[in-house]
Amino acid sequence: EAQVTQNPRYLITVTGKKLTVTCSQNMNHEYMSWYRQDPGLGLRQIYYSMNVEVTDKGDVPEGYKVSRKEKRNFPLILESPSPNQTSLYFCASSPQFDVMNTEAFFGQGTRLTVV
Amino acid sequence: AQSVTQPDIHITVSEGASLELRCNYSYGATPYLFWYVQSPGQGLQLLLKYFSGDTLVQGIKGFEAEFKRSQSSFNLRKPSVHWSDAAEYFCAVGRDDKIIFGKGTRLHILP
Repeated sequence: EAQVTQNPRYLITVTGKKLTVTCSQNMNHEYMSWYRQDPGLGLRQIYYSMNVEVTDKGDVPEGYKVSRKEKRNFPLILESPSPNQTSLYFCASSPQFDVMNTEAFFGQGTRLTVV
Repeated sequence: AQSVTQPDIHITVSEGASLELRCNYSYGATPYLFWYVQSPGQGLQLLLKYFSGDTLVQGIKGFEAEFKRSQSSFNLRKPSVHWSDAAEYFCAVGRDDKIIFGKGTRLHILP
């Protein structure tokens, strides 16, 4: 089954403790991205990757890192989480470089709470 | 500048009634436009998309949307809603190698 898988689905952590949220897709998509969803703000893009070893900042990249060493995986790293990073995070992938005209496939989300 | 505006944060309709969710975009060229739906506890699912051609596009689950260049709008419609349509709906535009999402409209269905 074609899917985007995020882990974990739920995470509670403490301020400053490094964490990684994994994202994996089995559709051989070139484009992958991370979003955060906050009430009243919709989805905002954190980082995106057009292919292996190619990543770029989205609209809200501060406090996050990503890597794209393999086509299928695109982990989101919070080196020193802070309470303002409490949010619902989504990973998405798209099948073509020209992401603007193709469907994005979303994972089920990771709800992160930083205390 | 914001690329996508959904003016209604919440919409409530009765089951069986018609639905229209509004979306306005700001973009110079002909945009790529999308509507996604997010059911509770789920990720986003594509309902429909517009790239060019016929300005009335059909999507899944009985939804349709109409592109109106003169009004910079891409409103989502459904003739008769079902209780299972209760969800959050996001309009989005493709721009600069990104998909920019609106803030969403939460749809509530009255029995």
